[in-house]
Amino acid sequence: AQSVTQLDSQVPVFEEAPVELRCNYSSSVSVYLFWYVQYPNQGLQLLLKYLSGSTLVKGINGFEAEFNKSQTSFHLRKPSVHISDTAEYFCAVTISGGYQKVTFGTGTKLQVIP
Amino acid sequence: NAGVMQNPRHLVRRRGQEARLRCSPMKGHSHVYWYRQLPEEGLKFMVYLQKENIIDESGMPKERFSAEFPKEGPSILRIQQVVRGDSAAYFCASSPTRAGDTEAFFGQGTRLTVV
Repeated sequence: AQSVTQLDSQVPVFEEAPVELRCNYSSSVSVYLFWYVQYPNQGLQLLLKYLSGSTLVKGINGFEAEFNKSQTSFHLRKPSVHISDTAEYFCAVTISGGYQKVTFGTGTKLQVIP
Repeated sequence: NAGVMQNPRHLVRRRGQEARLRCSPMKGHSHVYWYRQLPEEGLKFMVYLQKENIIDESGMPKERFSAEFPKEGPSILRIQQVVRGDSAAYFCASSPTRAGDTEAFFGQGTRLTVV
């Protein structure tokens, strides 16, 4: 079975400051890695995904994430956050070669402070 | 191309009533997934359906919950005899293929409140 751990339930950060949201995963098989964003009372939107190849993945809205196999991590970063980035962020995995059965972390609420 | 449509957006049911949640996938998508989000928790997989078939229902509670995706019409998640613990946001996602590397598109969810 797979599991995803997001240790930080809430991350406050000032506007224009950098942010890193942490994600660690556990799996006995190869996985694909995703970050989703959820705005209040909305569904989830894909930010970025790692399938293979380059370990640095760039996504929408200026976000990027780095896959680290040895540390089983997939941390999300943004060099300068905006008020509009205030949302909940979910790290997720699916089994490589499997179907779209997603295992989600518990989420990190990013609060951008003006 | 409309996104994944879920209705109703909000649903209030008294204990013991039935709840029916509907999900219309994106055009051309024949793979549908249901997830449940309890307060302060992440989304948990419930069931994966293709047209007229249940592929994986390993996340579905053994009793009172059922799902279908008929040849015509939306996918339905049905909860019989609802209890307070069923209060949650239920999200549907669809994808054009079953492959785990493709993006699943999520609806805005149905927020079920059991009173």
